[in-house]
Amino acid sequence: EAEVAQSPRYKITEKSQAVAFWCDPISGHATLYWYRQILGQGPELLVQFQDESVVDDSQLPKDRFSAERLKGVDSTLKIQPAELGDSAMYLCASSDPSRVSTEAFFGQGTRLTVV
Amino acid sequence: QQPVQSPQAVILREGEDAVINCSSSKALYSVHWYRQKHGEAPVFLMILLKGGEQKGHDKISASFNEKKQQSSLYLTASQLSYSGTYFCGSLHLLAGNNRKLIWGLGTSLAVNP
Repeated sequence: EAEVAQSPRYKITEKSQAVAFWCDPISGHATLYWYRQILGQGPELLVQFQDESVVDDSQLPKDRFSAERLKGVDSTLKIQPAELGDSAMYLCASSDPSRVSTEAFFGQGTRLTVV
Repeated sequence: QQPVQSPQAVILREGEDAVINCSSSKALYSVHWYRQKHGEAPVFLMILLKGGEQKGHDKISASFNEKKQQSSLYLTASQLSYSGTYFCGSLHLLAGNNRKLIWGLGTSLAVNP
């Protein structure tokens, strides 16, 4: 069964260091999402791609966060410099926008701890 | 724009029923329901696309009242495996025919033996 791949699963980094997360969506899914989820809260959309284009990054802290999906397939989310408040689960999801249901399939996430 | 879920938390005994509500101050294009178990990614349950639509899978069903801008998730004869956090998401249209899902804060459900 096709699934969204994310790496790493866990990451511990020191404050002010750079960190990057990788996501490979389900093949053929043009829409890719990066979410941040703080413990006890719902996922917060950071950035949404349609193929290689950003369609929504209104909640992305652009002074320190960046995201790219150069060839419209896999994607990288970067944080530089990391801050203590960035500790959270970072989830990647993908969907097929040609389907009415637009069901999103999630990867297992990257648990980031900033110390 | 964030949908409001109620209750925030529910504790059930196995076999009991529960209802989780999701309401929005803005018109809902569609409503998505997901369940997330502790330490895992959210898993899609169902989507309701139009007012009055009802769906079900096993003993979990949902309804969508477009006029009232709300949706309800019904869990009947709950099983231990139903434990988790349930999220509703409201779909909003963006420019260029793109769509954005905005999530509620979630309802924590615990089913005890």
